[in-house]
Order: sequence, then C-alpha cells, then structure tokens
Amino acid sequence: DTGVSQDPRHKITKRGQNVTFRCDPISEHNRLYWYRQTLGQGPEFLTYFQNEAQLEKSRLLSDRFSAERPKGSFSTLEIQRTEQGDSAMYLCASSSGVGSTEAFFGQGTRLTVV
Amino acid sequence: GESVGLHLPTLSVQEGDNSIINCAYSNSASDYFIWYKQESGKGPQFIIDIRSNMDKRQGQRVTVLLNKTVKHLSLQIAATQPGDSAVYFCAERDRGFKTIFGAGTRLFVKA
Repeated sequence: DTGVSQDPRHKITKRGQNVTFRCDPISEHNRLYWYRQTLGQGPEFLTYFQNEAQLEKSRLLSDRFSAERPKGSFSTLEIQRTEQGDSAMYLCASSSGVGSTEAFFGQGTRLTVV
Repeated sequence: GESVGLHLPTLSVQEGDNSIINCAYSNSASDYFIWYKQESGKGPQFIIDIRSNMDKRQGQRVTVLLNKTVKHLSLQIAATQPGDSAVYFCAERDRGFKTIFGAGTRLFVKA
C-alpha cells in the first residue's frame, strides 16, 4: 500500500457545477478525515468517519457539502452548486485507531471554481 | 472557541543550528498535541505527538515540549538541515479524534 490516494489531483469547475472527490485511505485504517486548506492557512477540519459511520461534521460544512464512506473503505466528498469561496485544497487523511494520533494525509485535490 | 495559534509566521535558521518553533493553544481539554510538517505540494506529514499528561517527548532530532500552565507547545529540531525547510503546524486532538490545526510557521534553512 503506497499511502492515502486522492483523485483527482486538480479540478477546475464553473460556479454552480457539482464536483465529487475520491479518497482511498490506507487499507487497514478505520478512521478517515476530510480537511480543507487555503493558502497560508492550516487545514480546517470538515468531517470524520470511523468505518462507514460519519461521526462528526464541522459547522464549516454547509448543506452543499456531503461526504460518504459506504463500505468503510474509500470515501467521496461532493460539493453541490460550487461557489468561488469553495476554491481550496481538499485533503483526506486516515489513521489506524486507538493509541495512535498519526494521521496519514494524501496529496490533496486542488479545486478552483471560476 | 477552540484555536491553535503560532507566535511567528516565519523562521530562518542556519544549517546545522537548532530550530525552535512555538505554538499557543487554548483548549485545555485536548488529549494530544501534534506537530506536522508540510512541504510544498504535499499533504501534512506527522512528525511527533505528545499526550496531555506529558511535558516532553523526544524523537529523532526532534523534541516536543508541552507547558500546560501557559498553554504553550514547542518543537525543537536539532542540527537543522535543508530538508527541514517546510511549513510546520501544531495541532491538537480532542477525545473525539477531531484534530484542529494552527496557521503554520514557515521554516527556512540557510546553507
């Protein structure tokens, strides 16, 4: 396993369009996280899964955002009716569980809304 | 609300010197404090963590110090190398496994 994989790496979309990103975590990791990062800032927590259950969702996540992890493996993050303010790097991370804080991050999906 | 912040946005050090990156936090209930390194175009990479009941932890060339009295966290890098040039984030994790990041400090290593 080569680590957390995110697809696509870059996405340019027109305002109002829907986009979907995919994250494949490290295979034995049961926790999966989504973050958003803008230039010069630290990653902002969006949501978190333990297996297929979405356990927490940030207030930053408006109704236009939805995340799923249907079989407890890969996850998708969908943004509906994109806005220019959604332009950011979307990072996915996974971790193994109790006793470990180490989260392994993917390289992110850079979204540009024009 | 919860926040993790940093004292300095940039730090420039000479190769071979020691680096100290500081961080202030506000949530006394955090369970773990973590340092991440992020290189350009890559996701953050875990460096070291420290549990809230400890005050010091050492890794390979890195030491993290936690002062709960003043809510201060620091990362010390010994014998800084050009490969250490990156943005460093402190982060805190609550018992619900949500990790909150600060804004970052950019470390420049001069040859």
